[in-house]
Amino acid sequence: EVQEVESGGGLVQPGGSLKLSCAASGFTFSNYWMSWVRQAPGRGLEWVASIRPDGSAKFHVDSVKGRFTISRDNAKNSLYLQMNSLRDDDTAVYYCVRDPFDQWGQGTLVTVSS
Amino acid sequence: QAGLTQPPSVSKGLRQTATLTCTGNSNNVGNQGAVWLQQHQGHPPKLLSYRNNNRPSGISEKFSASRSGDTASLTITGLQPEDEADYYCSAWDTSLTAWVFGGGTKLTVL
Repeated sequence: EVQEVESGGGLVQPGGSLKLSCAASGFTFSNYWMSWVRQAPGRGLEWVASIRPDGSAKFHVDSVKGRFTISRDNAKNSLYLQMNSLRDDDTAVYYCVRDPFDQWGQGTLVTVSS
Repeated sequence: QAGLTQPPSVSKGLRQTATLTCTGNSNNVGNQGAVWLQQHQGHPPKLLSYRNNNRPSGISEKFSASRSGDTASLTITGLQPEDEADYYCSAWDTSLTAWVFGGGTKLTVL
């Protein structure tokens, strides 16, 4: 069964950091582009970042550039999102997604609040 | 980053047909086509269609996608109560090198 399981979310103060992880299984992880997509409470979907199968190319939405970094470890079938300088408007459920958005995890909630 | 344009809401009757639209530009929908996602309240999204009308296995033929120029469409036939959900379109933008999303359409089945 294809599956992604996110972890690492939680409550953090503005300016703080968190690292999200996604454990993938049931498919050849190293063959796929992977992405993070987030959804603020009561809002729509927003793409955050994507990474090439071999990790050689990474793309981030403008609002997180310089603060968030997507990475992967193909040996561990894992995707990561390092989030620094967190702001209130980063509060959202963060989903780990296999491209082309055909497999989604259950998401992990990140709450940025003082 | 500019997003795709979707109508906020559409209402149709039971067993009717709904057509949802998604308008972008020549760098995204007009170039790469769109993916369509369905999201029920409290659940992750589910892929309905990619690259215009490729359905993943297990997705009903009642969902049909198409594209004309910079506008993508999702047609849902024989509406049932379980089709009531939020529908999102997305496309890779070659100019922005980013995925862009529409704001979503809330489909109500009357």
